[in-house]
Amino acid sequence: QSALTQPASVSGSPGQSITISCTGTNSDIGGYNYVSWYQQHPGKAPKLMISDVSNRPSGVSNRFSGSKSGNTASLTISGLQAEDEADYYCTSYASSGTLVVFGGGTKLTVL
Amino acid sequence: QVQLVQSGAEVKKPGASVKVSCKASGYTFTSYGVSWVRQAPGQGLEWMGWISPYGDNTKYAQNLQDRVTMTTDTSTSTAYMELRGLRSDDTAVYYCTRAHALPHYCNYYQWGQGTLVTVSS
Repeated sequence: QSALTQPASVSGSPGQSITISCTGTNSDIGGYNYVSWYQQHPGKAPKLMISDVSNRPSGVSNRFSGSKSGNTASLTISGLQAEDEADYYCTSYASSGTLVVFGGGTKLTVL
Repeated sequence: QVQLVQSGAEVKKPGASVKVSCKASGYTFTSYGVSWVRQAPGQGLEWMGWISPYGDNTKYAQNLQDRVTMTTDTSTSTAYMELRGLRSDDTAVYYCTRAHALPHYCNYYQWGQGTLVTVSS
């Protein structure tokens, strides 16, 4: 069982927006602004999409945005494109136990 | 450009050890830490640990701390991850990542290509 909780799957049509949630506790997401999001296509290494809750690394489309409220972080993808179909993982610093925890991952299907 | 090149696939028997290498290039090795992340077949990502730029500080996942050792060789800009007492559920792709000099930043901008470790009798 992962430390952070994500929905197993989400889906959307091209052009739509979707949001993936990532729920933790006061000891991780709720206590710190050290939340990142990764995109992983099958057979590939993960790619950093959002750092420190809401920062977009250079080269990442502005269709991707991150936010946080309380113990829940969110990744929003607007203007869905076929290439966005992938697995998405959240991760956070955690002050108790293992230092960095991942969510279980969310499979995004573009219909 | 920044590159992390990992060693090749391994097949090990239960109880054995494996040591995966990760050679860095394109940046100042001693300015960044290295984190290791693994992914079992069809499963999610699991953080294994972090090692400081000069290799003098490590942080390990609680469930692995008795079996894992991370080291670095600054002379060759190479990081290593050794896992002992291998079990079948250690079968996974192991990734090295370029990490922050401090362990709590989980922003991994660059990843190695991954090393498949298969544990089977």
